[in-house]
Amino acid sequence: GAVVSQHPSWVICKSGTSVKIECRSLDFQATTMFWYRQFPKQSLMLMATSNEGSKATYEQGVEKDKFLINHASLTLSTLTVTSAHPEDSSFYICSASVPGQQTEAFFGQGTRLTVV
Amino acid sequence: GQNIDQPTEMTATEGAIVQINCTYQTSGFNGLFWYQQHAGEAPTFLSYNVLDGLEEKGRFSSFLSRSKGYSYLLLKELQMKDSASYLCAVTDSNYQLIWGAGTKLIIKP
Repeated sequence: GAVVSQHPSWVICKSGTSVKIECRSLDFQATTMFWYRQFPKQSLMLMATSNEGSKATYEQGVEKDKFLINHASLTLSTLTVTSAHPEDSSFYICSASVPGQQTEAFFGQGTRLTVV
Repeated sequence: GQNIDQPTEMTATEGAIVQINCTYQTSGFNGLFWYQQHAGEAPTFLSYNVLDGLEEKGRFSSFLSRSKGYSYLLLKELQMKDSASYLCAVTDSNYQLIWGAGTKLIIKP
C-alpha cells in the first residue's frame, strides 16, 4: 500500500510557541491531504482539507489563523499550530488517498502534541 | 445531518466471536470502511465495502446493507492483540470520509 510519513511522532512545547508538523506521501503524489485531531477516547475529527497549490478548506469551528496549513508540493503538507496552548494538546493525524482511487485512506503515524 | 452510530464499548472473550455494528445516515454513499486503531497509534485499514454482502478476510469479515444503512465487522477467534478501537467510516457523495466515534473492544482471557 501507499505510504504516508508524518513527523514528528511526538513533541512537547511551551505555551505560546508554534509547532510545525509535516506530512509526506512517500510513493505517490497526493493532491489532497487531510488533517485530523483526536482527543483521548474520541474519534477522529477532521480539521481541514489541504489542497496542493491552493488554500486549505477548514471545518467549521477550526481557527484557520491558529492552524496554518501549507501544501506547497504534491508530496508535502504541513500543519503549524501557532501560539499553542495546553488545550491544543492532542493527537494530530494526516491522511491521503491515492488520486483516482476511491479506496482506503493512508494515514501518517500521528503526532502527539503536548503543550506545557 | 450526517451521522454514524456504533457502540461505545464491547467486551469479549479470547477465542470467541464478536460482531461490531455500525449504522449510518449520510448524504450519499460511496463506500464504507472499517479501521482498527490501537491507543496512541494511527488507524490501520481493515476492510472496504461498497456493494451489499459479506467480505471475508481471514479472521475478519465485514458486511454491508446499503438499503438499511447498516454494516458490521465480525471478528473470529479473538486474540488479545485484537483489543483496540474499531472505527466505522463512510464516504459520502462528495467522497468525504465521515467517521464514527469508534467502538472500544476489550478482550478478556
